Amino acid sequence: AQSVAQPEDQVNVAEGNPLTVKCTYSVSGNPYLFWYVQYPNRGLQFLLKYITGDNLVKGSYGFEAEFNKSQTSFHLKKPSALVSDSALYFCAVSDLDSNYQLIWGAGTKLIIKP
Amino acid sequence: DAGVIQSPRHEVTEMGQEVTLRCKPISGHNSLFWYRQTMMRGLELLIYFNNNVPIDDSGMPEDRFSAKMPNASFSTLKIQPSEPRDSAVYFCASRQTSGVNGADTQYFGPGTRLTVL
Repeated sequence: AQSVAQPEDQVNVAEGNPLTVKCTYSVSGNPYLFWYVQYPNRGLQFLLKYITGDNLVKGSYGFEAEFNKSQTSFHLKKPSALVSDSALYFCAVSDLDSNYQLIWGAGTKLIIKP
Repeated sequence: DAGVIQSPRHEVTEMGQEVTLRCKPISGHNSLFWYRQTMMRGLELLIYFNNNVPIDDSGMPEDRFSAKMPNASFSTLKIQPSEPRDSAVYFCASRQTSGVNGADTQYFGPGTRLTVL
């Protein structure tokens, strides 16, 4: 069955340092992978997605993610964290077997400390 | 574009009452999704419409929940009767579904925070 794992409930990073939020997936077909961000009391906002092609995907707010097929991972990264990046981050995957519905990770809370 | 619009933003009701949540998708989008978010269960897909037709309602928890999409610009999610365990944030999302369904991005509304006392 399709699944998405975000192994860290919370990630703490000092402002200015690089950040990584991890995501691994399990699907039988070719995956479509997404990252969303949720600020407190707000809806989910789309950050970026991988469909095909270049394994490094650039998205909003300076975020990027790298698709690694052999490790079935799609980690979210940013070279220099801002306090305003503090939020809840969700990874999601869809494929043919999920009827192209998004399978969601549990979310990772990112805390950026000044 | 105004984005996905949901109303009300907050709803407090008593157990047994009927609750109706509303959603206006992004103009031109042909798919609409209702999700529920709780601390315990995370983000759950309740029902999915394509071209106003319900495609997958397997996530609807029980018969107390119903959803309609009478036209391309409006959808409702109704809970009757409501119970305290229905307390959650309910999100609506819309998508312009092209030939490659899974590649299209869902855009979320701000959500409705429901509290059932």
